[in-house]
Amino acid sequence: DQQVKQNSPSLSVQEGRISILNCDYTNSMFDYFLWYKKYPAEGPTFLISISSIKDKNEDGRFTVFLNKSAKHLSLHIVPSQPGDSAVYFCAASVKYGNKLVFGAGTILRVKS
Amino acid sequence: EAGVTQSPTHLIKTRGQQATLRCSPISGHTSVYWYQQALGLGLQFLLWYDEGEERNRGNFPPRFSGRQFPNYSSELNVNALELEDSALYLCASSYTHGWGISGANVLTFGAGSRLTVL
Repeated sequence: DQQVKQNSPSLSVQEGRISILNCDYTNSMFDYFLWYKKYPAEGPTFLISISSIKDKNEDGRFTVFLNKSAKHLSLHIVPSQPGDSAVYFCAASVKYGNKLVFGAGTILRVKS
Repeated sequence: EAGVTQSPTHLIKTRGQQATLRCSPISGHTSVYWYQQALGLGLQFLLWYDEGEERNRGNFPPRFSGRQFPNYSSELNVNALELEDSALYLCASSYTHGWGISGANVLTFGAGSRLTVL
């Protein structure tokens, strides 16, 4: 049972344009959502998170939007840069939970 | 500050053998997590250790086991290896109550150990 789903295996975007990565979840108990980025031969690195009491969190070029009623979140990268090319994982946890539940990941390719 | 370190980087075994993977958490972190990333799949939660105890376990058979040592390092053992155990095994660490300002428990990952079962 996949509680966190990333339905787009890959996304290709032109440098300078917006990248939008999507994530859906089924468990209404999830309270926190995180995005991780992974380069080949490296471990995933934390990018940005959002609490369920918010609908938006911004950090530089990265913004995460949460639609709790739709159980959907998205990561926007503006402007996209070639160095953003990586696998992006969406993850979720319950309130004060330690375990993170991950999606399958989306491969982002930013073309220069 | 040293990050999460894992060894070995690569490991090749044959079916039926046992594999042992090791992880050293970030200094000060007491929780260690193990995840499996099989080809084309996301990160599947395996085990969570905290203060030397197994706190949670994912949907994996008992031949996946591990332990956490007094210095908070950890090892993952996989017995009776099967071909489908071939994957990248990722270790992550955090404080026990590492929710921080955001309320989210941010795990810090190592680079992983690539296990190939022939």
